[in-house]
Amino acid sequence: NAGVTQTPKFQVLKTGQSMTLQCAQDMNHNSMYWYRQDPGMGLRLIYYSASEGTTDKGEVPNGYNVSRLNKREFSLRLESAAPSQTSVYFCASSENTASTDTQYFGPGTRLTVL
Amino acid sequence: AQSVTQLGSHVSVSEGALVLLRCNYSSSVPPYLFWYVQYPNQGLQLLLKYTSAATLVKGINGFEAEFKKSETSFHLTKPSAHMSDAAEYFCAVSANDYKLSFGAGTTVTVRA
Repeated sequence: NAGVTQTPKFQVLKTGQSMTLQCAQDMNHNSMYWYRQDPGMGLRLIYYSASEGTTDKGEVPNGYNVSRLNKREFSLRLESAAPSQTSVYFCASSENTASTDTQYFGPGTRLTVL
Repeated sequence: AQSVTQLGSHVSVSEGALVLLRCNYSSSVPPYLFWYVQYPNQGLQLLLKYTSAATLVKGINGFEAEFKKSETSFHLTKPSAHMSDAAEYFCAVSANDYKLSFGAGTTVTVRA
């Protein structure tokens, strides 16, 4: 039982390049999330997927797109990377979107955009 | 809308001393509150959560937190710090839905 896995762990991009961050969970959870973490700002929600086949914007969606490929996988795509997207990206999952549901986090992807 | 304020971005304690991390929340409806810990270069791990049952919540690794509605607080404590407690700690709140609002985090350093 690996929990939530993310690839890659590290990535360096040039401005304007594109990339996809991958996330998978093996806990049979319905809901999945993408966050970004910046110093002194905690975690901010980029997009979420309440269930397979649905996605919705979070607090900071601009410059990102997502795909819920199936129940296990939820990817985050940067179409044209900008230096402001330099951050640590975390994927999380929860059983459902109830307020009391615990979110389980992956180890993160550290992205630098030059 | 809900929000969280963590007082103190850095806390330094001696090994064996009390750890106290402060969290105050703002919510227009009864909140659910969480404390997460992040060890260096790792993801976030749940320490404990308050879901309107007992106001004193016990978590992993000897941590506990008390929900005080009158003070809108959910402070995290541990009676005796261990070197392995060095990490960053995040308080988070959710209200009507799944949305977790995180505080800015408090980094704990433990001195030998």
